[in-house]
Amino acid sequence: GAGVSQTPSNKVTEKGKYVELRCDPISGHTALYWYRQSLGQGPEFLIYFQGTGAADDSGLPNDRFFAVRPEGSVSTLKIQRTERGDSAVYLCASSLSPSNEQFFGPGTRLTVL
Amino acid sequence: AQTVTQSQPEMSVQEAETVTLSCTYDTSESDYYLFWYKQPPSRQMILVIRQEAYKQQNATENRFSVNFQKAAKSFSLKISDSQLGDAAMYFCAYLRKGSNYKLTFGKGTLLTVNP
Repeated sequence: GAGVSQTPSNKVTEKGKYVELRCDPISGHTALYWYRQSLGQGPEFLIYFQGTGAADDSGLPNDRFFAVRPEGSVSTLKIQRTERGDSAVYLCASSLSPSNEQFFGPGTRLTVL
Repeated sequence: AQTVTQSQPEMSVQEAETVTLSCTYDTSESDYYLFWYKQPPSRQMILVIRQEAYKQQNATENRFSVNFQKAAKSFSLKISDSQLGDAAMYFCAYLRKGSNYKLTFGKGTLLTVNP
């Protein structure tokens, strides 16, 4: 694909439900990042993958958040027992290697009712 | 921890005029990158310009240029000959070299371009 894609574009769920957000990075990009952007704020780092492994998950807010990248390409961000405070835009970015430019996807807007 | 501060929540400029967006940052590191990203309503973050801390020369990209003052930890963005398509949120961001390369963003400045 031409760029980073994220699905769904928008997700509305009820408090307490489980959601999965998907990121398809640019082909060949080994580094993948998840960021969360709350209303009126800049994006905040959640987790970084280098290949299949999570090299840094220090930004995940609590153990309800989990992310995987089993084959070193597509990544899924999983949120259990969603809370209203989880409502935000979740951005994914990928780069050829950690020192290269990060290319961002269009994000998934998550709304927890 | 590194922090990035954008003190202008909103700015406006007339088409064809010049506008400067401010950014300051705090770090104890000496080797890092600074960026300006543009985020239109489509939400997609687009890299506008990048500056490496060890380079004294200010980066330029067509109508976009920066004023990098390392000692003052200041990194402003100048947009010349503003166009309607420049209207967007602009984020200043910091990245420490040699780490996991995660970006630290400011809160953003909403730029309006008036015709």
